[in-house]
Amino acid sequence: QVQLQESGPGLVKPSQTLSLTCTVSGGSISSGSYYWNWIRQPAGKGLEWIGRIFSIGSTNYNPSLKSRVTMSVDTSKNQFSLNLSSVTAADTAVYYCASHTGAWYFDLWGRGTLVTVSS
Amino acid sequence: DIQMTQSPSSLSASVGDRVSITCRASQGINNFLAWYQQKPGKVPKLLIYAVSTLQSGVPSRYSGSGSGTDFTLTISSLQPEDVATYYCQKYNSAPLTFGGGTKVEIK
Repeated sequence: QVQLQESGPGLVKPSQTLSLTCTVSGGSISSGSYYWNWIRQPAGKGLEWIGRIFSIGSTNYNPSLKSRVTMSVDTSKNQFSLNLSSVTAADTAVYYCASHTGAWYFDLWGRGTLVTVSS
Repeated sequence: DIQMTQSPSSLSASVGDRVSITCRASQGINNFLAWYQQKPGKVPKLLIYAVSTLQSGVPSRYSGSGSGTDFTLTISSLQPEDVATYYCQKYNSAPLTFGGGTKVEIK
């Protein structure tokens, strides 16, 4: 079955850009059924949806982060990516990639990756 | 944007107790409401979608109800393995918003 795995630097300096990749295995990222999402969770806090990208490249971003977020898909590598610019300590969190189909609840999650913003 | 408010933020109950968690949307979301369970240090797990439909493999002691703006997750007989934080999520439109979470502990 389809599995998701996040990867990327665990430490990012303030004001720099956080870049993460989610690798999709067991299925094609180009499948027309899936939306590919990023969700984050600061330590001890709740879940925040960052945004999503469809296989053809269309995106929706959380308005609270929209000015700093870019998502992309690399179909040749079966991956999708998150870039979050101008990070601060408030962006320190576990970042999850997750997917949903036509109904927009998340039935598939990656294991999550901790990103710390610190100098 | 629609806000999702959960209550209580935490609760402590005995094994076998009936436990209910409430999720309120700031506007109507029809039946586009899901519930997740997150055990300590683990990935969130989908429990219920469309207000009351149990995800495959979820024990029948879990149930969901509600409509419009007010929704409830109920555990009919609390078990030790139910210790977790529970989140609601609305998905009628983007942004896809979660509630703040309810931490469930055993008394």
